[in-house]
Amino acid sequence: GAGVSQSPSNKVTEKGKDVELRCDPISGHTALYWYRQRLGQGLEFLIYFQGNSAPDKSGLPSDRFSAERTGESVSTLTIQRTQQEDSAVYLCASSLAEETGELFFGEGSRLTVL
Amino acid sequence: SQKIEQNSEALNIQEGKTATLTCNYTNYSPAYLQWYRQDPGRGPVFLLLIRENEKEKRKERLKVTFDTTLKQSLFHITASQPADSATYLCAPYNQGGKLIFGQGTELSVKP
Repeated sequence: GAGVSQSPSNKVTEKGKDVELRCDPISGHTALYWYRQRLGQGLEFLIYFQGNSAPDKSGLPSDRFSAERTGESVSTLTIQRTQQEDSAVYLCASSLAEETGELFFGEGSRLTVL
Repeated sequence: SQKIEQNSEALNIQEGKTATLTCNYTNYSPAYLQWYRQDPGRGPVFLLLIRENEKEKRKERLKVTFDTTLKQSLFHITASQPADSATYLCAPYNQGGKLIFGQGTELSVKP
């Protein structure tokens, strides 16, 4: 596709349920990031995939959060047993330029946990 | 630990004036400094980057400086317009590292 695509764009769920958020990066982009942005706050780094290297999971806030990436393609962020504090916009970004690292972002998935 | 600081208070300026936004970093030696724009409800959009061996970079009405001694980048918008109103994010970067953003500075340009 022409840009980074994220789905769903909006998700409302009940506390305790599991959710999956999907990201389709720009074709050929080797790097893929997930960030969390709470209302009125900055971007909080969650996880980073670069090619076939082991992902950098240092930003995942708890073991309820996990992410996978299939090769250099789609990524899924899974949040298990959601809590109200998980409510946020989850942004995915991809990059081709390993040297300079500039990112192309999707429009985000807005998660609301009731 | 690595830390990135941007003006925490919103910047309000009059149309036509120059807006100057600051990005300070500590415990970093980035080879690049990137700047992004984020509009409400949208994902950030890459604007431009400056390399450590560049003192200044320009793109249309945008100008970025990079002082590796002060560990600071300044982002200027000249002849500002209401359409420039947005949040601006900085991100120091090294190849092979992950991209971490500052909290962003909200700019409001009044007609």
